[in-house]
This record gives sequence, C-alpha cells and structure tokens, in this order.
Amino acid sequence: GGIITQTPKFLIGQEGQKLTLKCQQNFNHDTMYWYRQDSGKGLRLIYYSITENDLQKGDLSEGYDASREKKSSFSLTVTSAQKNEMAVFLCASKGLENYAEQFFGPGTRLTVL
Amino acid sequence: GDSVTQTEGLVTLTKGLPVMLNCTYQTTYSPFLFWYVQHLNEAPKLLLKSSTDNKRTEHQGFYATLHKSSSSFHLQKSSVQLSDSALYFCALSDTNAYKVIFGKGTHLHVLP
Repeated sequence: GGIITQTPKFLIGQEGQKLTLKCQQNFNHDTMYWYRQDSGKGLRLIYYSITENDLQKGDLSEGYDASREKKSSFSLTVTSAQKNEMAVFLCASKGLENYAEQFFGPGTRLTVL
Repeated sequence: GDSVTQTEGLVTLTKGLPVMLNCTYQTTYSPFLFWYVQHLNEAPKLLLKSSTDNKRTEHQGFYATLHKSSSSFHLQKSSVQLSDSALYFCALSDTNAYKVIFGKGTHLHVLP
C-alpha cells in the first residue's frame, strides 16, 4: 500500500497573497492531480501531471500554477488568493492504466481573510 | 467532450430502504466508470468500478451495472444504513487514461 501526504492541513492567507500547497505520494504512481472542492460540492480539476516535469491544465487552472519536479511530489500555487477561493484542495494519484483507481490525500483547507 | 451527469444533488431516505443513485456519461470511446464515496471530512475512496458491459459489480453491499446501450452506471443498494450517509461521485476515465472526469456528486442522507 501507499499514502498521499498533503501539507499544510490548514492554510490561512490574506487576499492577494501567493500560497503554495504541497503533495507527496509513495505509490510510485506516474500521474498526479490537484482538485478543488467547494463546501460539500463536486471535484473540479485544476492541474494534472502525467509524469515528472509534465503539466496539463484542467478546467479550473486560471489563477493557479503547478510544479512537478519529482515523480513523488506535486505542488500547487495559488498565484493571488481571493476570498471566494475558500475550499478544500485535494491531491490524488493513479497508475497509468485506464482502469486504475485514484487515491486521494486528506486535503488542504484554504481560508482567505 | 467526455462528461458525467448525476441528476440528484440530494437523496434522503429512511434506513432499510433501497436506493439508486443515477449516473450517465458521454464518451466516444470505450468507457471506464467508477463510483467514489466521500464521508464527511474524509478523502474520496473508490467504491467500485467497471468497464464490462452488462456485468454487475459489487462492493460493500453496493452494486452497479455498466450499460453501454444507455450510457449508464447507476449505483444501487438494497437496504441503506446510517453509515451510508456520504457524498457519492460517479467518474469516467478519459480516453487517454490520464484525465478522470467527475460528476457533481450526490449527497445521500439516511434517516433513522
């Protein structure tokens, strides 16, 4: 088995601030994902990465940057935090097969003051 | 493009009753469908998955059958429990196997 670790668990920032969220996985999965989940709602894809140094934009990429320097880690940067961005950010990873399941981290809860 | 539709935002029913959560999808390629469950303040976890037409797949009392003719993968359970209260997502694996498309989710609320 493996685990996905997300840091920090809670992140409080000021409006306009640049904020970075980190994700590590030890599944040795090639593909990693960042999703945003607003309170009790669906998962919206921000960025995903097929392999190390690869980045693909999701439907919600505007206002975010991502970085995949190593196979095991995937970072997400909120370039300028906005009050309506309070949400939980979930990191996930999966193997390459179509049928592979995604494994999710526990999430980072972002609050913007 | 590919898409997943879950028509119910909230389903409320009493313990012991059967439930069906709807999921339909759109894709031009061979589909891989998933159901994920997310309990309050937890991460989503895989509940079950399928890529085989007309074959029932089961896990933890839940079951679903992929019907390619109607592009559906509805989740069912014959008798819900209080612990089944959660957010349920239907998901479709994209044709290139990397992108996973989620439906908006259905809240299942089970009453005593």
